[in-house]
Amino acid sequence: KAGVTQTPRYLIKTRGQQVTLSCSPISGHRSVSWYQQTPGQGLQFLFEYFSETQRNKGNFPGRFSGRQFSNSRSEMNVSTLELGDSALYLCASSPGSGGPLHFGNGTRLTVT
Amino acid sequence: DQQVKQNSPSLSVQEGRISILNCDYTNSMFDYFLWYKKYPAEGPTFLISISSIKDKNEDGRFTVFLNKSAKHLSLHIVPSQPGDSAVYFCAASETSGTYKYIFGTGTRLKVLA
Repeated sequence: KAGVTQTPRYLIKTRGQQVTLSCSPISGHRSVSWYQQTPGQGLQFLFEYFSETQRNKGNFPGRFSGRQFSNSRSEMNVSTLELGDSALYLCASSPGSGGPLHFGNGTRLTVT
Repeated sequence: DQQVKQNSPSLSVQEGRISILNCDYTNSMFDYFLWYKKYPAEGPTFLISISSIKDKNEDGRFTVFLNKSAKHLSLHIVPSQPGDSAVYFCAASETSGTYKYIFGTGTRLKVLA
């Protein structure tokens, strides 16, 4: 079974721009979660989608948004990028009824 | 406010010995806990979990202990192997049916050959 796939792996953007990150979950998984990892901050929860609906949300500004499609694939968008948005963005999937997350390898976003 | 804390940023252990990684939490509503391992340039990999109705869970060389009264959990790796060298994250959630996990900041384990 293929794992969680995130594209692109690396991205460099300029302050003020916007960016879209993509995530394909494990086949059959209906829940997709997004996390931000920065040095010294661990992984911080952004949001979780299940059956195209946002089910949980973390404490991030409205510049961070996401969506999930009918095939469970998910995208995350960050608008008006700031230098502090530079981070590793991790997507994780799960069947949807609890249990561990299965993570992709992440998208490394650098904002200059 | 950091609800899940891993106070040791790094740990070095000799191969074959026990590695003990610690995690403290402040939210008494947390009832499901997990440990993940992360290698550079890869996403975290699930290791082991425990629910609050248990105080111990084992899976091969990995054992997680939960002390609810102290709001403390630990991961024991016995025996430690060089391939265990990675960053370990603990995570917690209020119910096992949600995916809003709160992660610690990680402990970098180095197993010396």
